[in-house]
Amino acid sequence: SQQGEEDPQALSIQEGENATMNCSYKTSINNLQWYRQNSGRGLVHLILIRSNEREKHSGRLRVTLDTSKKSSSLLITASRAADTASYFCAFYSGGYQKVTFGIGTKLQVIP
Amino acid sequence: EAGVTQFPSHSVIEKGQTVTLRCDPISGHDNLYWYRRVMGKEIKFLLHFVKESKQDESGMPNNRFLAERTGGTYSTLKVQPAELEDSGVYFCASSQAAGGKTQYFGPGTRLLVL
Repeated sequence: SQQGEEDPQALSIQEGENATMNCSYKTSINNLQWYRQNSGRGLVHLILIRSNEREKHSGRLRVTLDTSKKSSSLLITASRAADTASYFCAFYSGGYQKVTFGIGTKLQVIP
Repeated sequence: EAGVTQFPSHSVIEKGQTVTLRCDPISGHDNLYWYRRVMGKEIKFLLHFVKESKQDESGMPNNRFLAERTGGTYSTLKVQPAELEDSGVYFCASSQAAGGKTQYFGPGTRLLVL
């Protein structure tokens, strides 16, 4: 299976704390992306990390990629209530451009 | 710049009826994708258009689903006849070019088949 698996599937933290979500996959990839979905809204692209990169930052987001372990992590620092959403890892593999998604991590940030 | 739009936002139909979902990609994006998230499961790829041609339709579940993109602009996804297991959220995405570029997603259409 090429499906990504997020860990944990649900996470509840206090505002100001850091949130870490992990994603594992089973095949070689071209790149890996993280998306966020707020309740009732569409998927919002957060960050893309290429297979030859190990770490990438964007604002309060930090993504790491370990291709030897076929895993990635998303760290959100100093979380805010507005960060409450579902987070999905997604990756491109093979010759076509379809994206394979994981089940997602549901993050709740308590004010 | 307008994002990807989808219509309707919600649809409730009875088993056996027909529903047509529409997606308008970002202007100028040749690549258009359909995905589906069934309740509690992962988001799954359905198909990929490059302009009006189907590049990859390996994710289409069965022949009750028909996707079109006449003229290479907006796309429709028709489910006929709808079954209970078709309930879920249908997402459309578009990207400017191939090669693993970022796909921009629409808000999704929530389909409930009773």
